[in-house]
Amino acid sequence: AQSVTQLGSHVSVSEGALVLLRCNYSSSVPPYLFWYVQYPNQGLQLLLKYTSAATLVKGINGFEAEFKKSETSFHLTKPSAHMSDAAEYFCAVSDSPGGYQKVTFGTGTKLQVIP
Amino acid sequence: GAVVSQHPSRVICKSGTSVKIECRSLDFQATTMFWYRQFPKQSLMLMATSNEGSKATYEQGVEKDKFLINHASLTLSTLTVTSAHPEDSSFYICRAGGEAFFGQGTRLTVV
Repeated sequence: AQSVTQLGSHVSVSEGALVLLRCNYSSSVPPYLFWYVQYPNQGLQLLLKYTSAATLVKGINGFEAEFKKSETSFHLTKPSAHMSDAAEYFCAVSDSPGGYQKVTFGTGTKLQVIP
Repeated sequence: GAVVSQHPSRVICKSGTSVKIECRSLDFQATTMFWYRQFPKQSLMLMATSNEGSKATYEQGVEKDKFLINHASLTLSTLTVTSAHPEDSSFYICRAGGEAFFGQGTRLTVV
């Protein structure tokens, strides 16, 4: 079975500061990993995905994530936080690159950006 | 890009009534759709996998008779919450096909 663990249900950063949201995965097969953002009462938007092509993945809105097999981690970062980044972020894992199979989500991290 | 439309976005219903939620893929065909439930301040829980032309596959612990799923065409899947009760109040989200295509979600409130 696959799973992801997000460390920290709430993270607060100052505007302009580094954003670091942590995610560790568990998988018996090569994982495909995703980061999503969710704004209140809305669906999920895909930020980026790892499909084994490159360990450093760049996504939308200035976010990126690095796949580290030795640490079973896939942490999300952004160099400089904007107020508009305040939202809920979910790490997720699947056993297929296109996500046509089950996608299992972490418990989410709520990002607060302080002006 | 691919768009998934979910309707309604919000619904309030009386206890004991049934509510239908639609999930449509607007510009692509989706043989597989997924239905999730999200409790307040929690993650998304997969309820079932909907396959066009066949019965849905429900996750363990999800009541098949309570949450009826129909995937009659390649662009439409419906989730019907039957005999709804306040504990069914939640945010329901569909996903069609690939990992990027989510509906906008439906906030169900049962009073």
